[in-house]
Amino acid sequence: GENVEQHPSTLSVQEGDSAVIKCTYSDSASNYFPWYKQELGKRPQLIIDIRSNVGEKKDQRIAVTLNKTAKHFSLHITETQPEDSAVYFCAPNTNAGKSTFGDGTTLTVKP
Amino acid sequence: DAGVTQSPTHLIKTRGQQVTLRCSPKSGHDTVSWYQQALGQGPQFIFQYYEEEERQRGNFPDRFSGHQFPNYSSELNVNALLLGDSALYLCASSLGSGETQYFGPGTRLLVL
Repeated sequence: GENVEQHPSTLSVQEGDSAVIKCTYSDSASNYFPWYKQELGKRPQLIIDIRSNVGEKKDQRIAVTLNKTAKHFSLHITETQPEDSAVYFCAPNTNAGKSTFGDGTTLTVKP
Repeated sequence: DAGVTQSPTHLIKTRGQQVTLRCSPKSGHDTVSWYQQALGQGPQFIFQYYEEEERQRGNFPDRFSGHQFPNYSSELNVNALLLGDSALYLCASSLGSGETQYFGPGTRLLVL
């Protein structure tokens, strides 16, 4: 089955700094690459996603980059704010619909 | 336009009992996936239903079963509950498999 690894597991930054989280996967059939944000006690919420035919996607302060050859994709958050503090999950997905979530990265943004 | 809904929100059961959790997908969605999220971990894929059939299954024993109804809503059944089944159970809906998923608020199950 798919093996998914996220790094780092915890990340602490000062407000205004950038944060980068990397996700490595093993299944070459994966073709959909979302990132979810989960605040304490709440449901995972999609924040950005990318398909395998695209290398980069940006939405305001958030961007995702994909390297299919190396089988990794990364979440980039610029100008971080305290409300960005949460757990972030990557979840590569195949056409068949099976999502494999990473173990999560706890991001803390210090004011 | 209602999002994904789940019921109940919380549930307490004892070991050996059976439980049924329910999910209504986002309007227009036809695919429902179920996940188990233990405390401090990422969601683990249980199975996915499309056209009333189980299409994909994760690494869960057959104590975990499900059903999808003609209106696309879904149920997750867990038999012979174990203490280790205590978790947040999340339902996610999408329009087809491999597409953007929207999660419900989850059902928190505690097995005593």
